[in-house]
Amino acid sequence: GAVVSQHPSRVICKSGTSVKIECRSLDFQATTMFWYRQFPKQSLMLMATSNEGSKATYEQGVEKDKFLINHASLTLSTLTVTSAHPEDSSFYICSALPGTGNYGYTFGSGTRLTVV
Amino acid sequence: AQKITQTQPGMFVQEKEAVTLDCTYDTSDPSYGLFWYKQPSSGEMIFLIYQGSYDQQNATEGRYSLNFQKARKSANLVISASQLGDSAMYFCAIRGGSNYKLTFGKGTLLTVNP
Repeated sequence: GAVVSQHPSRVICKSGTSVKIECRSLDFQATTMFWYRQFPKQSLMLMATSNEGSKATYEQGVEKDKFLINHASLTLSTLTVTSAHPEDSSFYICSALPGTGNYGYTFGSGTRLTVV
Repeated sequence: AQKITQTQPGMFVQEKEAVTLDCTYDTSDPSYGLFWYKQPSSGEMIFLIYQGSYDQQNATEGRYSLNFQKARKSANLVISASQLGDSAMYFCAIRGGSNYKLTFGKGTLLTVNP
């Protein structure tokens, strides 16, 4: 079935540095990628939607200059958390469309970001 | 805009028994899709079952079935013969409109007791 590889699975970074998270579709072309953020014991909140070759669409309240999304190819989308602060510590997960099976949505395995 | 409401923060069930996880939704789109996902402590999102708004029959996938009551706008997940490995967070989600965004509920933490 469709697979989205998300890396890294865990990352610890110092406050003020930037962190890049990659989501790569391994066996299909992902025209659309969704990026979610999940705080402990809470739901997945959509941060942005990216379409290959165009600028990402951010949800209300999400700082586009802080969370840079690049979807330069049909198989790779990246989320860069710039100038990270402890409050950015969270679980980030991507979901790609169209996948095969699962009615189109293929999730990455998630990245647990800790900013110290 | 779409909205999902899951009113059960936590549920307990004995192994081998059935359990129902509640989900109600709100949408103005005539065409929509309802999803259930399982999220174990590892964080991955595991697709369980899907119900389309025009599907005439309730969806079933192995031990999972969806009790779809369109008039009540509810899409409850039924897990039969619970197993210890079913212990996890369960999220209901809705896709509506042309942007294919998924909106998730707050989730229900299911604990299966031996």
